[in-house]
Amino acid sequence: GESVGLHLPTLSVQEGDNSIINCAYSNSASDYFIWYKQESGKGPQFIIDIRSNMDKRQGQRVTVLLNKTVKHLSLQIAATQPGDSAVYFCADSPMDSSYKLIFGSGTRLLVRP
Amino acid sequence: GAGVSQSPSNKVTEKGKDVELRCDPISGHTALYWYRQRLGQGLEFLIYFQGNSAPDKSGLPSDRFSAERTGESVSTLTIQRTQQEDSAVYLCASSFFGSSTDTQYFGPGTRLTVL
Repeated sequence: GESVGLHLPTLSVQEGDNSIINCAYSNSASDYFIWYKQESGKGPQFIIDIRSNMDKRQGQRVTVLLNKTVKHLSLQIAATQPGDSAVYFCADSPMDSSYKLIFGSGTRLLVRP
Repeated sequence: GAGVSQSPSNKVTEKGKDVELRCDPISGHTALYWYRQRLGQGLEFLIYFQGNSAPDKSGLPSDRFSAERTGESVSTLTIQRTQQEDSAVYLCASSFFGSSTDTQYFGPGTRLTVL
């Protein structure tokens, strides 16, 4: 079946360093990918998205890379700050039910001062 | 403007009791979604409402789960005869139209504990 998974459950980085969070997906027909950030006790917050016809998209301090050949997605956070500490989820949207997001299990990012 | 709100924020119930969870979407959003998040896991899709169309209930785990939405406003998720396995955070989201590129905005969730 479909699944979106993450390689590392916890990532610890030094404040100021760059962070890279990885995600693998299994549905080659997925058309749309999103990264969400979830802080403790809160709902997920949209960070950045990318369509399958792109391989890179940049936002403010964040970049998402999509490699369709190996079905891999990554989120890069530049100059990681303490406020970036959270759980990060990738999600994909199958083309046949575009509104239905399939979420991975999440990666916890810990920023060391 | 106001975001998605959910109530209650926490609910503790006894096994076998019914519970009702409420979601108030962002005003003007036609699409509404319910997800379940078990501890340390990602979100599982439960149900999707879009305008007056028939809801997509394909994610509901059993017939004990049901949801309603009145027009384009409030939605309630009802779990009958709760089981311990139902313990989770139930998240609601809304979006303008419900298309694949339409950002879903999440509420803070209701943490349900079934004793």
